[in-house]
Amino acid sequence: AQKVTQAQTEISVVEKEDVTLDCVYETRDTTYYLFWYKQPPSGELVFLIRRNSFDEQNEISGRYSWNFQKSTSSFNFTITASQVVDSAVYFCALSESTGNQFYFGTGTSLTVIP
Amino acid sequence: ETGVTQTPRHLVMGMTNKKSLKCEQHLGHNAMYWYKQSAKKPLELMFVYSLEERVENNSVPSRFSPECPNSSHLFLHLHTLQPEDSALYLCASSRFPGQFEQYFGPGTRLTVT
Repeated sequence: AQKVTQAQTEISVVEKEDVTLDCVYETRDTTYYLFWYKQPPSGELVFLIRRNSFDEQNEISGRYSWNFQKSTSSFNFTITASQVVDSAVYFCALSESTGNQFYFGTGTSLTVIP
Repeated sequence: ETGVTQTPRHLVMGMTNKKSLKCEQHLGHNAMYWYKQSAKKPLELMFVYSLEERVENNSVPSRFSPECPNSSHLFLHLHTLQPEDSALYLCASSRFPGQFEQYFGPGTRLTVT
């Protein structure tokens, strides 16, 4: 079974619209870590955020915000007032406290139309 | 240089060739990783090294052979590859394996003919 599910394969929005990228994870560990990465067309994955399982506070960084809800095993990512430069593939990932594995979702391809 | 660098950026090789991918990190990290990224698939973690010791080997075929001579350098030696091995190969590093965020290189686009 997939440890990280990103059900949205592709999303298109018009510039300045808000968009939310969904991420649902699965783990039996009580301590785990969640991440979001951005992969622009150039190919290099860029780290955006890391969140541990004990910190459910939502986080905001500029136009980016993250909503972590343990009750629904979700870690969703919202871009406010989207821009063309936000066009990329976004990956959600999970790391558990046991072992050295890092599980990525299949990614959501976001296109922002000018 | 800063961050994680990978060479070459593009590689075309025949099935009988031997080639190597190189990765170097300038972040002072202790863990390094190889990933394979194919179209429409999740990133596949291939190998994890911590302090030059391999700590994970995710059922990767023996035609892929990693080498980590020190904590800053990681190689992936390739031999007798198959066309289905064509993919983007990404190197990453982190402070330690597991819970820490990883920083990625730009990748090597490999085509096996």
